[in-house]
Amino acid sequence: QKEVEQNSGPLSVPEGAIASLNCTYSDRGSQSFFWYRQYSGKSPELIMSIYSNGDKEDGRFTAQLNKASQYVSLLIRDSQPSDSATYLCAVNSRSNYQLIWGAGTKLIIKP
Amino acid sequence: EAQVTQNPRYLITVTGKKLTVTCSQNMNHEYMSWYRQDPGLGLRQIYYSMNVEVTDKGDVPEGYKVSRKEKRNFPLILESPSPNQTSLYFCASSPSSGRAIYEQYFGPGTRLTVT
Repeated sequence: QKEVEQNSGPLSVPEGAIASLNCTYSDRGSQSFFWYRQYSGKSPELIMSIYSNGDKEDGRFTAQLNKASQYVSLLIRDSQPSDSATYLCAVNSRSNYQLIWGAGTKLIIKP
Repeated sequence: EAQVTQNPRYLITVTGKKLTVTCSQNMNHEYMSWYRQDPGLGLRQIYYSMNVEVTDKGDVPEGYKVSRKEKRNFPLILESPSPNQTSLYFCASSPSSGRAIYEQYFGPGTRLTVT
């Protein structure tokens, strides 16, 4: 069983719509949750972190965390073609200073 | 400019020929890490280092070595590369204070092919 699961996609969303990306994790003790964006051929970059239940907004991005359901999501409002990338969900490991990574969801924004 | 650099960016080598991939950061970060990324498997951690002279195994350390003699450098060594080590490799760094340890800055990647 994978510890962090994401739908691999591709997820295709029209320009201007809301893109919704989901991630589930298995360790109930995890406390830190992250979304990284990776453009094709490039390295991952951190776009959102969330540590408490609820929503956290940063510009067009909203991260949502539900620890009871072990579920993290990323909403991208007013999606732009430049948002087309693979989005990686990462969760901290309780046992050591490591991140546990999902395999990523490929997002395609159609003009 | 704050950055993590890796060299080489691309490398094609043959089985058994020792190689080193260098990683350097200029942000005075304590934490450094090596990952490999393979299609469908996501990022898997090879080794990480909390500070100078302190290294720990990640999830896939077999066939790799690291050293941390200076804070800014964290080279990855493949003493006898094999074809199953063909992959995209990323170095990352972060401060080691609290949650910031997980807010990692990545290098541009090294694409390694072992024939």
